Amino acid sequence: SQQGEEDPQALSIQEGENATMNCSYKTSINNLQWYRQNSGRGLVHLILIRSNEREKHSGRLRVTLDTSKKSSSLLITASRAADTASYFCATKEETSGSRLTFGEGTQLTVNP
Amino acid sequence: NAGVTQTPKFQVLKTGQSMTLQCAQDMNHEYMSWYRQDPGMGLRLIHYSVGAGITDQGEVPNGYNVSRSTTEDFPLRLLSAAPSQTSVYFCASSPSAGTDTQYFGPGTRLTVL
Repeated sequence: SQQGEEDPQALSIQEGENATMNCSYKTSINNLQWYRQNSGRGLVHLILIRSNEREKHSGRLRVTLDTSKKSSSLLITASRAADTASYFCATKEETSGSRLTFGEGTQLTVNP
Repeated sequence: NAGVTQTPKFQVLKTGQSMTLQCAQDMNHEYMSWYRQDPGMGLRLIHYSVGAGITDQGEVPNGYNVSRSTTEDFPLRLLSAAPSQTSVYFCASSPSAGTDTQYFGPGTRLTVL
């Protein structure tokens, strides 16, 4: 079963707008990561947030983590057409060693 | 560095055939893993390895075998392919079992008829 569930499944916005994607999970985690996947390509790691962190920034990316609600959000500010991709959250559970559990992803389309 | 490489990029098999998906990394990473990606299912872990000679099962291991005789290579074997194994397969590696970021290969698209 999937640990992470992402919301929405698909998101379409205009260039320049902000995009927000959410991820919920079920068990205690060590960290949560976000990945991007362009169509037909492999995954690219974007950002990692640890369980004792609440917010993290990387360029135009902002990630929040609420361990009490078991949820995370990824905000992409000032979106560009090149941000069009699928975005996945992945959790590293406290008891899973190095294993990551992925959500089903959010398909983001940024229209020029 | 080439990073994580996978071969082949595409493969079509008939039911019952066997094949090996190759994965190699040149970053001296200890941890390697295989995932399959199906529409609406996200990525699911098949098998993983925390070092040469050590492998373990993931979420969906049935129908797949792995071995890790070297640090660099982590092949995934399908002993008797089934249509349910039609999927995109990704190999990933990370520096060690405790390292958080994984590096992914480009994927192998497998179709089983």
